[in-house]
Amino acid sequence: EVQLVESGGGLVQPGGSLRLSCAASGFTFNIYSMNWVRQAPGKGLEWVSYISSSSSPIYYADSVKGRFTISRDNAKNSLFLQMNSLRAEDTAVYYCARSRSGGYLVDYWGQGTLVTVSS
Amino acid sequence: DIQMTQSPSTLSASVGDRVTITCRASQSISSWLAWYQQKPGKAPKLLIYEASSLESGVPSRFSGSGSGTEFTLTISSLQPADFATYYCRHYNSYSPYTFGQGTKLEIK
Repeated sequence: EVQLVESGGGLVQPGGSLRLSCAASGFTFNIYSMNWVRQAPGKGLEWVSYISSSSSPIYYADSVKGRFTISRDNAKNSLFLQMNSLRAEDTAVYYCARSRSGGYLVDYWGQGTLVTVSS
Repeated sequence: DIQMTQSPSTLSASVGDRVTITCRASQSISSWLAWYQQKPGKAPKLLIYEASSLESGVPSRFSGSGSGTEFTLTISSLQPADFATYYCRHYNSYSPYTFGQGTKLEIK
């Protein structure tokens, strides 16, 4: 069974940093591309970042480019999102999501971790 | 960037109704479109991929159609478990992988 478990969310002040993690199990992590997708309270889904199985290429939404960094550790079946210079508008549930093998279709999602940016 | 526009934003329907949700892309995406269902407090769930392929385990009352710029998700006979929010999303070669704004399906 595919499992994606996010951690690392919490309350952070504007301008602060946070690092999210996603532990993957139930599939061969090192052959799948991965994503972060977020959802602000009461709002729709927003794709944040994509990383291929080999860590190249990597893509970001314009709203986070230059502030967020996606990375992975295939030896530890883990995905990360380093978030710097956080803003109030980054407040959201952040989901780790798998892309189906060989493409960009997101097929499995974690349950999400809440990031709140507030003073 | 490709923009995805869903309609309607809210849909009120009754158990047993047939409902259709539309998703339009700002440029052709061939059949690289997926539909997701999200219930409150839960992660989204993949229903349809490649515009019309039913994901494994998804009830056959769900179907998708379309290609190019116009797509539809149809639920043939609404069940209580189907009241949720539905999102479309394109996933062709790299372009920011935008979602539609969502369609909330409510009980009439």
